[in-house]
Amino acid sequence: KQEVTQIPAALSVPEGENLVLNCSFTDSAIYNLQWFRQDPGKGLTSLLLIQSSQREQTSGRLNASLDKSSGRSTLYIAASQPGDSATYLCAVMRGNRDDKIIFGKGTRLHILP
Amino acid sequence: DTGVSQDPRHKITKRGQNVTFRCDPISEHNRLYWYRQTLGQGPEFLTYFQNEAQLEKSRLLSDRFSAERPKGSFSTLEIQRTEQGDSAMYLCASIPGGYGEQYFGPGTRLTVT
Repeated sequence: KQEVTQIPAALSVPEGENLVLNCSFTDSAIYNLQWFRQDPGKGLTSLLLIQSSQREQTSGRLNASLDKSSGRSTLYIAASQPGDSATYLCAVMRGNRDDKIIFGKGTRLHILP
Repeated sequence: DTGVSQDPRHKITKRGQNVTFRCDPISEHNRLYWYRQTLGQGPEFLTYFQNEAQLEKSRLLSDRFSAERPKGSFSTLEIQRTEQGDSAMYLCASIPGGYGEQYFGPGTRLTVT
């Protein structure tokens, strides 16, 4: 059974700092891993998608890495801004012809002005 | 707007009533997923479709829940005899092809009184 864990559950950092969010999964048989942000009461916005054959993806100030063998992914945010405050969720699509998508509970990020 | 749309955005109903939600995926996206999200939790997988075929249904989905995707376009999620525990945000996402990026709709917030 695939389980996805995100640590920490909440994080507060001063504006301008670089930070890392963690996502771990128990079964390395995945097709891909996707990072999202969610603002309160809203839907999910896709940030980065990493296919199982890839090691990392970058978009602007965001960089996501994937280590399938150890069951870990990190989301690196450079030069954080107050607008980055949101909940960040990771999701894995299970492999082996089982395409169910499993989410972590998210990390609630607060950037202090 | 060519994104995923959901209707209604908010629904308040009395316990025991039936409700139906609609999701319109991005055109030509052949996969469609339904999730339920409660406060402080990540989205929980409910069911998904490949075109018009419902391929998997979570054990979270009791017999009171049913989903359809006629003609492989929009999808509906019906909850019969609603209970207070059904109160949640119901999210829909579509994927272009098997293992691509998920695009989420804004969600339908259900409150059962």
